[in-house]
Amino acid sequence: GAVVSQHPSRVICKSGTSVKIECRSLDFQATTMFWYRQFPKQSLMLMATSNEGSKATYEQGVEKDKFLINHASLTLSTLTVTSAHPEDSSFYICSAIVAGENTDTQYFGPGTRLTVL
Amino acid sequence: GQNIDQPTEMTATEGAIVQINCTYQTSGFNGLFWYQQHAGEAPTFLSYNVLDGLEEKGRFSSFLSRSKGYSYLLLKELQMKDSASYLCAVRNDYKLSFGAGTTVTVRA
Repeated sequence: GAVVSQHPSRVICKSGTSVKIECRSLDFQATTMFWYRQFPKQSLMLMATSNEGSKATYEQGVEKDKFLINHASLTLSTLTVTSAHPEDSSFYICSAIVAGENTDTQYFGPGTRLTVL
Repeated sequence: GQNIDQPTEMTATEGAIVQINCTYQTSGFNGLFWYQQHAGEAPTFLSYNVLDGLEEKGRFSSFLSRSKGYSYLLLKELQMKDSASYLCAVRNDYKLSFGAGTTVTVRA
């Protein structure tokens, strides 16, 4: 159980375009999902917390107008990187908490590697 | 602020035991997680400690001392597939803060 999927797994885009990444909880409901970014040989950095039916909470230094997050249902959150630039190239990973599980363990998706040319 | 330290790299022989230490200084604490991450993949959950003591799960064990701000992950009977990065993460409220990860290389 507790499987999280992400789509696409890899994306290459031109500078200035927008890219949408989907995160789905496949076998459970997730009231809270998280979006992380990981640069090579660095650890995961939390970008934002996504709550179903409400606005996302962004970490300090993360531009909310550039990284649009929508959590429209209990099983789907999307991250849209708007006007992507080469410095946005990174590994984007989402995670989800199983609703009702008391340890609040975060289960991670397989990640999306974004390359901006 | 959050400060989570773990060694950068460790190397061990197949069949051996390796202990990965993690020390933390965080503004709050609601539990400590260990994750395994293979290159280019997402982290997978290994263990969770919220109370002091040892949690054992097959070949993997994790220990926590809250008063010392210290945890370790013990990997026994190492296998080649255990070569990966191991991430220590502290939860504060509902957020996780990760250490930089320890890359473990298992040699034959």
